[in-house]
Amino acid sequence: AAGVIQSPRHLIKEKRETATLKCYPIPRHDTVYWYQQGPGQDPQFLISFYEKMQSDKGSIPDRFSAQQFSDYHSELNMSSLELGDSALYFCASRDGRGDTQYFGPGTRLTVL
Amino acid sequence: SQQGEEDPQALSIQEGENATMNCSYKTSINNLQWYRQNSGRGLVHLILIRSNEREKHSGRLRVTLDTSKKSSSLLITASRAADTASYFCATDAYNFGNEKLTFGTGTRLTIIP
Repeated sequence: AAGVIQSPRHLIKEKRETATLKCYPIPRHDTVYWYQQGPGQDPQFLISFYEKMQSDKGSIPDRFSAQQFSDYHSELNMSSLELGDSALYFCASRDGRGDTQYFGPGTRLTVL
Repeated sequence: SQQGEEDPQALSIQEGENATMNCSYKTSINNLQWYRQNSGRGLVHLILIRSNEREKHSGRLRVTLDTSKKSSSLLITASRAADTASYFCATDAYNFGNEKLTFGTGTRLTIIP
């Protein structure tokens, strides 16, 4: 079965640079969620989209923005990167008729 | 913020034994899900239990939910070395278009061969 795809899997950036993370949900899933997991931490909700509209927002810095496109893929844009942004970034998708969120493999972002 | 606390934070058992992990949460929920994460990798969905359910089984997994105590437990029977991972509970407070998951702090399970 198709799973959530995230790219890139690993990303290394310098402070103050920008990064774009991509997420391709499971086909026919209309809701996408982004989570951030710092080292040794539990995942924290950042933002979600339903049918290409932002549906909820968590502890997402103003330096970050995200959107969901017409093909339902989503991108998380991160600017003015800081050392503290180093983390695993997960995307999850959900079929609007179900409750289970299926997670992608994550993008490991390292900010030097 | 952390909705849930998991107990214990770390657990080491011999292969073949049963492992029990507990999760407590603070607010009313729609459902509770358990996920497994191998070291620094993706989150694998294990099982979902709805707020009106008390117990659910899936293979070697048994999940219970006590909404009056705001707690859940995950039992893994006949553990295997491949079960070594971190286990997280996650809750969602249903509000249409707002089903974000709030994770517990996780239990790191080590199965000793």
